[in-house]
Amino acid sequence: GQQLNQSPQSMFIQEGEDVSMNCTSSSIFNTWLWYKQDPGEGPVLLIALYKAGELTSNGRLTAQFGITRKDSFLNISASIPSDVGIYFCAGPDLNYGGATNKLIFGTGTLLAVQP
Amino acid sequence: SQTIHQWPATLVQPVGSPLSLECTVEGTSNPNLYWYRQAAGRGLQLLFYSVGIGQISSEVPQNLSASRPQDRQFILSSKKLLLSDSGFYLCAWSTRTTGNNQPQHFGDGTRLSIL
Repeated sequence: GQQLNQSPQSMFIQEGEDVSMNCTSSSIFNTWLWYKQDPGEGPVLLIALYKAGELTSNGRLTAQFGITRKDSFLNISASIPSDVGIYFCAGPDLNYGGATNKLIFGTGTLLAVQP
Repeated sequence: SQTIHQWPATLVQPVGSPLSLECTVEGTSNPNLYWYRQAAGRGLQLLFYSVGIGQISSEVPQNLSASRPQDRQFILSSKKLLLSDSGFYLCAWSTRTTGNNQPQHFGDGTRLSIL
């Protein structure tokens, strides 16, 4: 079945550093979603990607839909303390058609930023 | 704009007691609704999803049940809680489309502790 592998599992960086994380799958995805979860809160959608090769930015965040459609990357530039949290990638579960909009989530990348 | 509300934010319950968590969505009609559980601040496990009033699909056998009495209301219940039901429960909604590529949007979650 479809699985999403996220790496790294965790990152401990200094404020101001750039961050890069990725999400890979053995299956093709037609959509890639990136979420951030602050401690004690629900995940918030950061970026949605719908086309192979697409590069989309949201402030200091940039995400790319891999050309093979089997991976996606999220970069954060000039990290700040409020970037702390868990970052999840997600894509539609293609085992469920129709209108269920079920998602498969990666296991998450925990980001810690030292001021 | 659409909003999603979950309550309560935190709950401490004794083993064997009943449970009712409520989720409501505003600003949209005919949403898909989802209940997730998150253990230890990491992976999201889909428990139930619903594509319409009274339509519930269960993802994993468990001690919980879900109901959707109204279009924008989703309830997670248990008759008798187990210690293993502890966790962070998240409700989410998505637009219902046939493309199966819509993002899900999450509430702020309920932290459930079983004593």
